[in-house]
Amino acid sequence: AQSVTQPDIHITVSEGASLELRCNYSYGATPYLFWYVQSPGQGLQLLLKYFSGDTLVQGIKGFEAEFKRSQSSFNLRKPSVHWSDAAEYFCAVESSYKLIFGSGTRLLVRP
Amino acid sequence: EAGVAQSPRYKIIEKRQSVAFWCNPISGHATLYWYQQILGQGPKLLIQFQNNGVVDDSQLPKDRFSAERLKGVDSTLKIQPAKLEDSAVYLCASSPRTETQETQYFGPGTRLLVL
Repeated sequence: AQSVTQPDIHITVSEGASLELRCNYSYGATPYLFWYVQSPGQGLQLLLKYFSGDTLVQGIKGFEAEFKRSQSSFNLRKPSVHWSDAAEYFCAVESSYKLIFGSGTRLLVRP
Repeated sequence: EAGVAQSPRYKIIEKRQSVAFWCNPISGHATLYWYQQILGQGPKLLIQFQNNGVVDDSQLPKDRFSAERLKGVDSTLKIQPAKLEDSAVYLCASSPRTETQETQYFGPGTRLLVL
């Protein structure tokens, strides 16, 4: 069955530091992968998505993600974190037109 | 462009009571989704509509949950009777069509607490 694993429940980084959030997926065919962000009291906002082609995907707010088929991973990165990036981040894989989400990683940003 | 609207934003009920949530998708979006997000978990799809027809309701607990999208626009999700484990955020999302690679746009959610 298709699944998404986000191994880190919480991550704390200092403002200005780099960030990497991990995502591993289990999917039989070519995956369609997404990263969403959820701020407190808000719905989910799409950061970026991967369908095919270049394995390094650029998104909004300075985020990028790299698809690595050999590792079944789609990790999210940002070179310099801002305090406003504090939120919960969800990785998802599309299966039969629906999204299967990981359990999320909560990002805390130290001043 | 207006986003996905949901109401109410918060609801507190006692177990065995009924509750209904409303969703108005982005104008022109044919596909509408209801997700349940339990605290500490990612959203889980409950039901997916294409216009006013159900595409997937395999994870909807049909003994207590029901949903409708009568005119292919807005939708309601109902729980009757509610259980303690139904406490969650109920997210509505929409997309232009039911195809692969379509972006889903999410509303702010309705936070339900069942006491």
